[in-house]
Amino acid sequence: EDQVTQSPEALRLQEGESSSLNCSYTVSGLRGLFWYRQDPGKGPEFLFTLYSAGEEKEKERLKATLTKKESFLHITAPKPEDSATYLCAVPPQGGSEKLVFGKGTKLTVNP
Amino acid sequence: KAGVTQTPRYLIKTRGQQVTLSCSPISGHRSVSWYQQTPGQGLQFLFEYFSETQRNKGNFPGRFSGRQFSNSRSEMNVSTLELGDSALYLCASSWRLGGVTEAFFGQGTRLTVV
Repeated sequence: EDQVTQSPEALRLQEGESSSLNCSYTVSGLRGLFWYRQDPGKGPEFLFTLYSAGEEKEKERLKATLTKKESFLHITAPKPEDSATYLCAVPPQGGSEKLVFGKGTKLTVNP
Repeated sequence: KAGVTQTPRYLIKTRGQQVTLSCSPISGHRSVSWYQQTPGQGLQFLFEYFSETQRNKGNFPGRFSGRQFSNSRSEMNVSTLELGDSALYLCASSWRLGGVTEAFFGQGTRLTVV
């Protein structure tokens, strides 16, 4: 069964303290990996798509990287407004648009 | 460009009742997927529609159903509501070019069953 595991479940950082979130997956024949940000009570907001190992994407203080078994979301010099739950998701084998989500990492950035 | 619109945003229903949720995808998007999000289980796939046809269904009981209209708008229905159906229901739309495409989510409908 396709699985996505995110770690840590929760992360507290001080403003400016850089760190990384991890997303490991067991899907064979990865067709893509998505990162989303979700604020409380709202729908997930699309951040990045990664398609192949070695690929990197950046947006402001966020950089997503992909290897053959996992993806990292690096947060450089975070600000309190980066506080949110970060979700990663992969499409399972086959042609479905269905996404299998990890449980997410809840990030809190203290001023 | 308008995003994915879900209505209503909040619903309170009584056990045993039924409920219908609505989703209008981004203009031009033809694929609509529905997800249930709960604190314990996270985001779980309900079903996916493309061109008015259900293409995939998740592991949910038959009380959960859906449909898609010719304008790509979609509805999902839950009959005989149970307390455990309380959740955030999310709709996502994508263009679906045949490969892997990004899915964009609405703000969700918060359903509370009492």
